[in-house]
Amino acid sequence: AQSVTQLGSHVSVSEGALVLLRCNYSSSVPPYLFWYVQYPNQGLQLLLKYTSAATLVKGINGFEAEFKKSETSFHLTKPSAHMRDAAEYFCAVRHRDSNTGKLIFGQGTTLQVKP
Amino acid sequence: DVKVTQSSRYLVKRTGEKVFLECVQDMDHENMFWYRQDPGLGLRLIYFSYDVKMKEKGDIPEGYSVSREKKERFSLILESASTNQTSMYLCASSLGSDGRSNQPQHFGDGTRLSIL
Repeated sequence: AQSVTQLGSHVSVSEGALVLLRCNYSSSVPPYLFWYVQYPNQGLQLLLKYTSAATLVKGINGFEAEFKKSETSFHLTKPSAHMRDAAEYFCAVRHRDSNTGKLIFGQGTTLQVKP
Repeated sequence: DVKVTQSSRYLVKRTGEKVFLECVQDMDHENMFWYRQDPGLGLRLIYFSYDVKMKEKGDIPEGYSVSREKKERFSLILESASTNQTSMYLCASSLGSDGRSNQPQHFGDGTRLSIL
């Protein structure tokens, strides 16, 4: 069965530091990949998605993610953290043969940004 | 922009009540989903629907049912609410696909439900 693992349930960085949130998937065929962000008391907002056109995907709010097939990873990065980036981040995958649009979500990573 | 609207942001109900959570999307999406979100457990799929009057169980359907009479509306029903159903409930929708596209899900703001 396909699964997705986010390493680290909590990540803490200083404002201005690099943000790295890890996501690994388990699938013999690379799935479709997504990153979502959830601010307190809100729903999930799409940050970016992997389209297979390019391995480096740019998203909103300065985030980007790199697809590495050899490592079955899709880690999320941002060069310089802002206080407003403090939120929970979810990696999600969808099997390419799925016709229902179901996503499998990771457990989430809470990003704390310290002043 | 896609708009997914959940009828209530906060709801308080009593044990044993029948509870309805409503979700409406305005983008003519075929697929709709209901999740619950609990600390440490992430998002868990309760039910989803890929067409009007069609529904499929997700990972945790026990104690819930759904209704999709119109394409834009997907209702989650707690038949007899219990305290362990206190949670954040999230609705989402997405375009239908043949499996060859990477359509994302679009989420509502959630309903925080407390069962007393």
